[in-house]
Amino acid sequence: ETGVTQTPRHLVMGMTNKKSLKCEQHLGHNAMYWYKQSAKKPLELMFVYNFKEQTENNSVPSRFSPECPNSSHLFLHLHTLQPEDSALYLCASSQGGGTGRGYTFGSGTRLTVV
Amino acid sequence: TQLLEQSPQFLSIQEGENLTVYCNSSSVFSSLQWYRQEPGEGPVLLVTVVTGGEVKKLKRLTFQFGDARKDSSLHITAAQPGDTGLYLCAGRQTGTASKLTFGTGTRLQVTL
Repeated sequence: ETGVTQTPRHLVMGMTNKKSLKCEQHLGHNAMYWYKQSAKKPLELMFVYNFKEQTENNSVPSRFSPECPNSSHLFLHLHTLQPEDSALYLCASSQGGGTGRGYTFGSGTRLTVV
Repeated sequence: TQLLEQSPQFLSIQEGENLTVYCNSSSVFSSLQWYRQEPGEGPVLLVTVVTGGEVKKLKRLTFQFGDARKDSSLHITAAQPGDTGLYLCAGRQTGTASKLTFGTGTRLQVTL
């Protein structure tokens, strides 16, 4: 049990579908993140939320739309995706800033766009 | 955007061997972390180093932060199959409150 739960674990969607990824943390953390992990690429930061407010959008295409209704929940809404968006999408949380703050990651959602 | 290069990219060794993984950058970091990721799971934090020259040990794993805080190394003594996984370094740049930049990763396989 990592404390960060992501659903679904696997998702296959067509390019015209709309789907959402969900992330929930029970650690009392106030920062949440979406990362994309593709083969042969470093983990790519997509979005950062601090106390429910988006503090970073790393030039992510608008077909990815994040939502953070409270400090414990984070969603990633997906629409009209491309095959190159297939990847492992990881959610993480942390207790804000500070040099020693580590991230707690969920197990990820393996997304395949067909 | 600073880049954290890890080497080697892949490493396949036998149980009992020693190995070292490197994480290098041209940027200075206020802290650096190491994570291990197993197949089908998210990365798990192993250690955080914050002081130049700092050395931390976690059982058979030894982590070192470079004096200039631009690089780090991970040394594993007497590797075991349970050490198999993707090792990621991640740096926090001075002045960024929460943002971590992850390295390119080292995939380690330890066989019997």
